[in-house]
Amino acid sequence: KAGVTQTPRYLIKTRGQQVTLSCSPISGHRSVSWYQQTPGQGLQFLFEYFSETQRNKGNFPGRFSGRQFSNSRSEMNVSTLELGDSALYLCASNIQGGGNEQFFGPGTRLTVL
Amino acid sequence: KNQVEQSPQSLIILEGKNCTLQCNYTVSPFSNLRWYKQDTGRGPVSLTIMTFSENTKSNGRYTATLDADTKQSSLHITASQLSDSASYICVVSAADSWGKFQFGAGTQVVVTP
Repeated sequence: KAGVTQTPRYLIKTRGQQVTLSCSPISGHRSVSWYQQTPGQGLQFLFEYFSETQRNKGNFPGRFSGRQFSNSRSEMNVSTLELGDSALYLCASNIQGGGNEQFFGPGTRLTVL
Repeated sequence: KNQVEQSPQSLIILEGKNCTLQCNYTVSPFSNLRWYKQDTGRGPVSLTIMTFSENTKSNGRYTATLDADTKQSSLHITASQLSDSASYICVVSAADSWGKFQFGAGTQVVVTP
């Protein structure tokens, strides 16, 4: 069974631009969570989607948004990019959410110049 | 205040030696605790998962322990190898927070020849 895939793997943007990241979960998994990882902050939870609905949300500004499609694939969008948004964005797939094990993708490395 | 504290922040060990990483948590009510290994620039990979009733679990040269009374966990690496160089992250989920995980900041392990 294929693992979690994320595209693109690397991205360079400039301040003020917007970006869309994509995540394809493991087949059969219905929950997708997004995390931001920076050297100083570690992993921080952005939001979780389950069956096309946002079920949990972390403490990030409204510039960060997401959605999930009927095939469980998910996208994350960041508008009006700031330098501080430079990070590794990780997507995690979970069979149905809750306390079940998460399987992480390789991440998208976003650099904002 | 972070509900999951890891120590040490980083350590350097010689190849072939053992080491122990610590994780203290205040998450309550407790559901489960996981240890992840994250190679640089990659997504975290699960090493072990422990529930309240388990106090030891092994995965090859990795052995995790859990003391639910003192809310402490440790990850012991035996006969370290160069490939063990990575960040090790402790993640705790609460029984009443569906889909939310508390992440430690990680311990950066460097194994030198």
